Amino acid sequence: QKEVEQDPGPLSVPEGAIVSLNCTYSNSAFQYFMWYRQYSRKGPELLMYTYSSGNKEDGRFTAQVDKSSKYISLFIRDSQPSDSATYLCAMSPYGQNFVFGPGTRLSVLP
Amino acid sequence: ETGVTQTPRHLVMGMTNKKSLKCEQHLGHNAMYWYKQSAKKPLELMFVYSLEERVENNSVPSRFSPECPNSSHLFLHLHTLQPEDSALYLCASSQDRAGLDSGANVLTFGAGSRLTVL
Repeated sequence: QKEVEQDPGPLSVPEGAIVSLNCTYSNSAFQYFMWYRQYSRKGPELLMYTYSSGNKEDGRFTAQVDKSSKYISLFIRDSQPSDSATYLCAMSPYGQNFVFGPGTRLSVLP
Repeated sequence: ETGVTQTPRHLVMGMTNKKSLKCEQHLGHNAMYWYKQSAKKPLELMFVYSLEERVENNSVPSRFSPECPNSSHLFLHLHTLQPEDSALYLCASSQDRAGLDSGANVLTFGAGSRLTVL
């Protein structure tokens, strides 16, 4: 079993839709969770990070962690064409040496 | 310039060539990293430098040789590569190598160097 699994997509949604991006993991020691966004021909940039379980909201983005199910989600409300990118989840037990998922490619169609 | 800058952005090389990738960060960070990104695969951590000392080397073949002359510059020297080494090589930096009680270690990535080995 891979340490972090993520559906590679591509995921295509119409503008304005609510998008749900997910990662599952196998290592119960993970407690730091990050979401990175990577535009085409660019490096990943940090979108959100959370520690342990719970929700965190930042504008149109909500990160959710369910440690009991080993499952994390990123929700994007009112999605825009500018949200079209690859979204990478990353996680770590101690806040360093993050393990990345392969990324989900998202297309938001105008 | 700000952030993390990588050069060249694109590189095509034969299997017998020697080339180098360069990374420069203008953020005052103390840790620098090389990652390999292949299509539909997770980012693979290759090397980590903290305060110019290599602290991680994740079983990377010796045809990849990193160099960190100071905390702002990082190089990846390439020699006798294989076609399967074709990938996007990303450099990143972070403030430090945050440990157990120091909170998340936020990486700032460069745009990457796209390497094609013929």
